[in-house]
Amino acid sequence: DIQMTQSPSSLSASVGDRVTMSCRASQAISNFLAWYQQKPGKVPKLLIYGTSILQSGVPSRFSGSGSGTDFTLTISSLQPEDVATYYCQKYNDAVLTFGGGTKVEIK
Amino acid sequence: QLQLQESGPGLVKPSETLSLTCYVSGGSVSSTSYHWGWIRQPPGKGLEWIGSITYSGSTYYNPPLKSRSLKSRAIISVDTSKNHFSLKLSSVTAADTAVYFCARHASDNGDPDYFFDIWGQGTLVTVSS
Repeated sequence: DIQMTQSPSSLSASVGDRVTMSCRASQAISNFLAWYQQKPGKVPKLLIYGTSILQSGVPSRFSGSGSGTDFTLTISSLQPEDVATYYCQKYNDAVLTFGGGTKVEIK
Repeated sequence: QLQLQESGPGLVKPSETLSLTCYVSGGSVSSTSYHWGWIRQPPGKGLEWIGSITYSGSTYYNPPLKSRSLKSRAIISVDTSKNHFSLKLSSVTAADTAVYFCARHASDNGDPDYFFDIWGQGTLVTVSS
């Protein structure tokens, strides 16, 4: 079974900083990767699918890249409303697996 | 605008069966373009996919070997006449205490995809005597 590992588990950055976080699959999953944002006490929200396709309404400061086993979510200019935990999810087959999450805080 | 709403008991006793229903409004569970899923999140922890169901009632689950915590205890069903789908999780323990979300799989040009674009608000289920 394919495992999804996210790093770091948490990070702290200043408003305006460029923030990157990683999601690694234990086997290649092509570009079948989605990213979700979950703000504290809220429902997960789809940000990106197909590794790099922004869901409608998601700010353009979010971007995704990668392929195969290594993927990255980037926030180009961190905003206070981006405080959240971010989860990746692989969907190359019908076994849907989430990563453990990266918690983003403001310094 | 499609909306999902989970419903069910907030407290279940150990060894009993957890039963939740997800009511779909603004859309139809019978649509061939979508699958419907259940995901859970223990307090303070990450997301775990439980399983999903198609419009015709076919199901697929997190494999037991992969999810020792679920171990084939989950059954998902759909009721197209009532426009809802349900989750039953048998022989619950404290480890099943979690927020349970229902969600819609996204659609790619009319074909179901395997990530989630619309989520319910979630319902906390506590397993305790």
